[in-house]
Amino acid sequence: EAQVTQNPRYLITVTGKKLTVTCSQNMNHEYMSWYRQDPGLGLRQIYYSMNVEVTDKGDVPEGYKVSRKEKRNFPLILESPSPNQTSLYFCASRPQTGGIDTQYFGPGTRLTVL
Amino acid sequence: AQSVTQLGSHVSVSEGALVLLRCNYSSSVPPYLFWYVQYPNQGLQLLLKYTSAATLVKGINGFEAEFKKSETSFHLTKPSAHMSDAAEYFCAVSAITGGFKTIFGAGTRLFVKA
Repeated sequence: EAQVTQNPRYLITVTGKKLTVTCSQNMNHEYMSWYRQDPGLGLRQIYYSMNVEVTDKGDVPEGYKVSRKEKRNFPLILESPSPNQTSLYFCASRPQTGGIDTQYFGPGTRLTVL
Repeated sequence: AQSVTQLGSHVSVSEGALVLLRCNYSSSVPPYLFWYVQYPNQGLQLLLKYTSAATLVKGINGFEAEFKKSETSFHLTKPSAHMSDAAEYFCAVSAITGGFKTIFGAGTRLFVKA
C-alpha cells in the first residue's frame, strides 16, 4: 500500500529536549516536505527536499532541521524545542514532476512542548 | 508569489443541502489549484485538482470545483451534503514562479447538521 508514515503520532516533551520526528514514504517520490498546521493559519511549509541530499527552507524554518540521506526518509529535528513549536506536523511527498502532482500526506504528529 | 484566501473559517449546512466552500487565489501565472480534505485525526487527502484542462473539475465523493479565471476563484461545491462530509477543507495553489511550492489556505471547517 502506498503510504507516508510518521512517528510518533503523539509526543509531549519539555523545553530544550531534542527530538526527532521520522517520516518515511514507499512511493519512490523525489519531493518531500514538512508542514505545521496551526488553527486559523492552515498548513505552512517548514522545509522541503527535492531529492537526496537536497534540502531547502520553507516559510517557517526557524528552530527546525532536516536531513535527506535516503530517498524514502525525511526526518524533522527539533534541537531545542520551545512552546511555540507546539503544533500538528505533517510530512508529505510527491513525484518531482512539477506542480500538478498530488501530495500524499502522513497521518500527522501532534507535538506538545511544555 | 501565490496566495490563497478561503472565505469563512466555518460553514454549517443541513444534511441534503448544497455545500459551497469559497476559495480565491492570487497568481501572476497560470496556477494549479487543489482542494484537500482532512477528516478528524487524519492527514490531508486530495479531493480534486485543476491543471489547466477542463475548467469544471470533478473529484471524489461527489465534489466538484470550477476554475474561473476572471474571478480568480476555485469554489468547491457538492449538491447534497452528507453527514460524512463533515471535515476541514483546504484550498491550495502552486505555480512555476513559486518553484511549484504548494501554498495552502487557512482551511474551512464544514459542519453538517442532521
